[in-house]
Amino acid sequence: SQTIHQWPATLVQPVGSPLSLECTVEGTSNPNLYWYRQAAGRGLQLLFYSVGIGQISSEVPQNLSASRPQDRQFILSSKKLLLSDSGFYLCAWSLWPRLAGDPSSTDTQYFGPGTRLTVL
Amino acid sequence: DAKTTQPNSMESNEEEPVHLPCNHSTISGTDYIHWYRQLPSQGPEYVIHGLTSNVNNRMASLAIAEDRKSSTLILHRATLRDAAVYYCILREKDTGFQKLVFGTGTRLLVSP
Repeated sequence: SQTIHQWPATLVQPVGSPLSLECTVEGTSNPNLYWYRQAAGRGLQLLFYSVGIGQISSEVPQNLSASRPQDRQFILSSKKLLLSDSGFYLCAWSLWPRLAGDPSSTDTQYFGPGTRLTVL
Repeated sequence: DAKTTQPNSMESNEEEPVHLPCNHSTISGTDYIHWYRQLPSQGPEYVIHGLTSNVNNRMASLAIAEDRKSSTLILHRATLRDAAVYYCILREKDTGFQKLVFGTGTRLLVSP
């Protein structure tokens, strides 16, 4: 079965410090990978997605970046954190275009446990 | 992705059925209706999806209106663990890579 890991679970960082959040997926190959952010009391905002190694698409201009150095590894980074970067960061994976044997599959996404980031 | 409209919040008592509505009047013929839920301090989890016919799984049932302009997620017996934010999302079928766009969802409160 597939599992998705994120670390760290919680993080408190000062403004201006760098950031690196890691996400790994086990039990599947060539997944689509996503980074979302959820500010306190708000909905999920898609930040980045990747359909393959080295392929990153950015959804929102910001001081964050993403990288995919390996097939099942997705990293979210920042060189200098802002107060507004605080939030709950979620990684997700999916298979596209189809799961084998499931003709109704339409890109169901599976989320990790998240990293709660507080920037002070 | 076409837009969906959900109530901001709903309340239920434990062990009672819960009907969570979703309006999607601009749905196209190729849009699937997906439901996810997000428990407190956790990532969203997939609940159910359907196209035209009603669907059942171990978590819930999905009732889709005949004109597909609305749908209802049914929890047959709410438990305290069902307290979460429920998201209704439309997804196109087989049109290449599509992003999942979450709205604000419905916050379900379950009382003992």
